[in-house]
Amino acid sequence: SYVLTQPPSVSVAPGQTARISCGGNKFGSKTVHWLQQRPGQAPVLVVYDDSDRPSGIPERFSGSHSGNTATLTISRVEAGDEADYYCQVWDSSSDHLVFGGGTKLTVL
Amino acid sequence: QVQLVESGGGVVQPGRSLRLSCEVSGFTFGSYGMHWVRQAPGKGLEWVAVTWYDGSDTYYADSVKGRFTISRDNPKNTLYLQMNSLRVEDTAVYYCARARYSNGWHTDDSWGQGTLVTVSS
Repeated sequence: SYVLTQPPSVSVAPGQTARISCGGNKFGSKTVHWLQQRPGQAPVLVVYDDSDRPSGIPERFSGSHSGNTATLTISRVEAGDEADYYCQVWDSSSDHLVFGGGTKLTVL
Repeated sequence: QVQLVESGGGVVQPGRSLRLSCEVSGFTFGSYGMHWVRQAPGKGLEWVAVTWYDGSDTYYADSVKGRFTISRDNPKNTLYLQMNSLRVEDTAVYYCARARYSNGWHTDDSWGQGTLVTVSS
């Protein structure tokens, strides 16, 4: 089965920039989407189609995808950004939706 | 506004069955594919199943294939997940989420709040 790899944790001070990576095999052909999940809440889509933002998501959230790595970048990090972040792709070889293991963002 | 409301969770013994429902409003249900996604306590997100907008095609995670069935009633704006032969490891919060096609079927910006299923003797 297809595997997406994320770092388990990322820590950043308020006002700094957080970068969360996501990678997998033959990743360049896939489209990546990112979800934010605050404790006790349902996931929220923050980036779709590699780099687009849904309405209502601050411009501080951006995504990029190059080669075998996709990156979620959160600029000017705020305390409220502390959450788990998941990347997501569709694996067409198995017709399965695949989530990364999640990255816990800690705001110091 | 868009709303997805799951129901049907609870405590069930191993080997028994349970049916979850997801009632939606605020969008044309019959025009969208739908996913079930689950999250075990303290763990990450795990995809469970997806159904096409008209129910004509469905796909399942290997961990539930043959035991779970996703279905929908478009006139009732309701998505279902029939769970049979439940196992302790099926214990999780189950979310329904709207699907969007972009180089594959991903979840879009509409999720329910989840319903907790606990499988325990």
